[in-house]
Amino acid sequence: EVQLVESGGGLVKPGGSLRLSCAASGFTFSSYSMNWVRQAPGKGLEWVSSISSSSSYIYYADSVKGRFTISRDNAKNSLYLQMNSLRAEDTAVYYCARDQYSSSWRVFDIWGQGTMVTVSS
Amino acid sequence: DIQMTQSPSSVSASVGDRVTITCRASQGISSWLAWYQQKPGKAPKLLIYAASSLQSGVPSRFSGSGSGTDFTLTISSLQPEDFATYYCQQANSFPPWTFGQGTKVEIK
Repeated sequence: EVQLVESGGGLVKPGGSLRLSCAASGFTFSSYSMNWVRQAPGKGLEWVSSISSSSSYIYYADSVKGRFTISRDNAKNSLYLQMNSLRAEDTAVYYCARDQYSSSWRVFDIWGQGTMVTVSS
Repeated sequence: DIQMTQSPSSVSASVGDRVTITCRASQGISSWLAWYQQKPGKAPKLLIYAASSLQSGVPSRFSGSGSGTDFTLTISSLQPEDFATYYCQQANSFPPWTFGQGTKVEIK
């Protein structure tokens, strides 16, 4: 079964750090770009960061640039998001999502169940 | 950045109704559009890709259309399990990948 499972969420104080993990199974992880997408409570979806299959290309949303770092370990079939200098507005459910594309379309076709990050004093 | 605007923000409908949701891009995105369904407490689920192609396993009552800047998601006969929030997403120009603000389909 194709699956993504996030972990690492929790309660952290403003200015603190947290590292999220996403464990992939059921597909060849090293062949796919991966993404982090977040959803603040009661709000819509916001793309956070992307990393290509070999980590050659990395992108961030302006809202997290300079504070968050995406990485992956293809040997461990794992995706990570290191979050530093956390702010209250980073409070959200964080999803990892697989990037699937062809010459005429591109989608996030597989999503994890999400992990909640709460930034509060 | 390309902005995605959905309308309406919410719609009340009954089982069996036909429901149409609109998504407009701030600039042309050809057919680089996907639709997702999200139920409370769950992850989004891919419904439609390339504006009109049905993802495997998605019921045929869901359909998508449009190209350029204007797109629609139609549910031909609303079923109880379709009450959810629906998001469009553009993949023409990134980063950033951008989503619409969502449309909540509620029970009338």
